[in-house]
Amino acid sequence: AQSVAQPEDQVNVAEGNPLTVKCTYSVSGNPYLFWYVQYPNRGLQFLLKYITGDNLVKGSYGFEAEFNKSQTSFHLKKPSALVSDSALYFCAVRDRGDSNYQLIWGAGTKLIIKP
Amino acid sequence: GAGVSQSPSNKVTEKGKDVELRCDPISGHTALYWYRQSLGQGLEFLIYFQGNSAPDKSGLPSDRFSAERTGGSVSTLTIQRTQQEDSAVYLCASSPSGLWPGELFFGEGSRLTVL
Repeated sequence: AQSVAQPEDQVNVAEGNPLTVKCTYSVSGNPYLFWYVQYPNRGLQFLLKYITGDNLVKGSYGFEAEFNKSQTSFHLKKPSALVSDSALYFCAVRDRGDSNYQLIWGAGTKLIIKP
Repeated sequence: GAGVSQSPSNKVTEKGKDVELRCDPISGHTALYWYRQSLGQGLEFLIYFQGNSAPDKSGLPSDRFSAERTGGSVSTLTIQRTQQEDSAVYLCASSPSGLWPGELFFGEGSRLTVL
């Protein structure tokens, strides 16, 4: 069965420190991988995606993520956190298989950046 | 339009009343998704449209929930005889097609409160 795990409900980081939000996945085939961010009372905003090619993907707001096939992971990272990065982050995966329209979502990780 | 538009942004209703939530996807997007998000929680898939047809209604929680899409564009999610447990944010997303390998584009959501 396809699944996405975000093992941390909440991550606390001091401003200026590097941050990591973890995501692991399970699909039968090869994955398309996504990160979204949700600010309070807002919809989901797309951050970055891995479709093919370079395993290190750079996205919006200075975020990046590395696709690791052997560890089935796609952790979100940023070298220096900002207070404004505080939000809810979702990882999602789609199987490349035929007719597969469905995105499988993680439960979300609340990121809190403290000044 | 430029983005996915949802209305109303907020709806307060009394238990037992019917509500309609509207989603206007990005022009030309044939795939449309409805999700439900309880307070600060993850995304619960409700229904997927490809054009005007709904090949996957598996996420609709009960027969009080229905959705339609007309003209391959606007979609309406209807909840009949609302219950307090229906209180949530209802998110709509669209993409160019169901097999689009990239991201979904989300609206800002409709917050439903059932008193």
